[in-house]
Amino acid sequence: GQQLNQSPQSMFIQEGEDVSMNCTSSSIFNTWLWYKQEPGEGPVLLIALYKAGELTSNGRLTAQFGITRKDSFLNISASIPSDVGIYFCAGRKVSGSQGNLIFGKGTKLSVKP
Amino acid sequence: DTGVSQNPRHKITKRGQNVTFRCDPISEHNRLYWYRQTLGQGPEFLTYFQNEAQLEKSRLLSDRFSAERPKGSFSTLEIQRTEQGDSAMYLCASSLVGTGNYGYTFGSGTRLTVV
Repeated sequence: GQQLNQSPQSMFIQEGEDVSMNCTSSSIFNTWLWYKQEPGEGPVLLIALYKAGELTSNGRLTAQFGITRKDSFLNISASIPSDVGIYFCAGRKVSGSQGNLIFGKGTKLSVKP
Repeated sequence: DTGVSQNPRHKITKRGQNVTFRCDPISEHNRLYWYRQTLGQGPEFLTYFQNEAQLEKSRLLSDRFSAERPKGSFSTLEIQRTEQGDSAMYLCASSLVGTGNYGYTFGSGTRLTVV
């Protein structure tokens, strides 16, 4: 199935460092979502974006809906050990169905105390 | 109502057997989705319902797969004649359409292992 291009695939950082990850597509999206998944659990919604250029924060997390509508970015500031997990971007294409949310392959984040 | 509930959490079955999974969405949500996730991949869309109507099915949903949501509340996903390639995490999600909020709430998933 179609998936978004998400990078990096994995990150190993020191506690306190900032983290950036992004998601790109060749198609235009009207919705971008960022999820976090921990082992054995389903994805948990972190941030939802609905307009090009939109910048939204949730605590130490900030995400942006790219101006071109083909990309999105997630930043985590001052990382802590509980930030460990896999972060997924997901989006809904302008030309796509209303039910089909397309996911990236994920960015695996490891935080060293 | 504390979220989306999926049962069982784990299922091990022999190749060729049939399996059925259940999903109970958030009660006020009118849309229910099924996704499949394999190791190292993001979730992939299988199908979704609005109330009791199944509105879309992915090409990933072969003839051996069938999903129902008979009363517009809980849903079941059945896989007939399971194959080893069916081994995956099956995720259910729900959402409330019409509020402008497109964020899906996912359950914890059912992990299927076909041996």
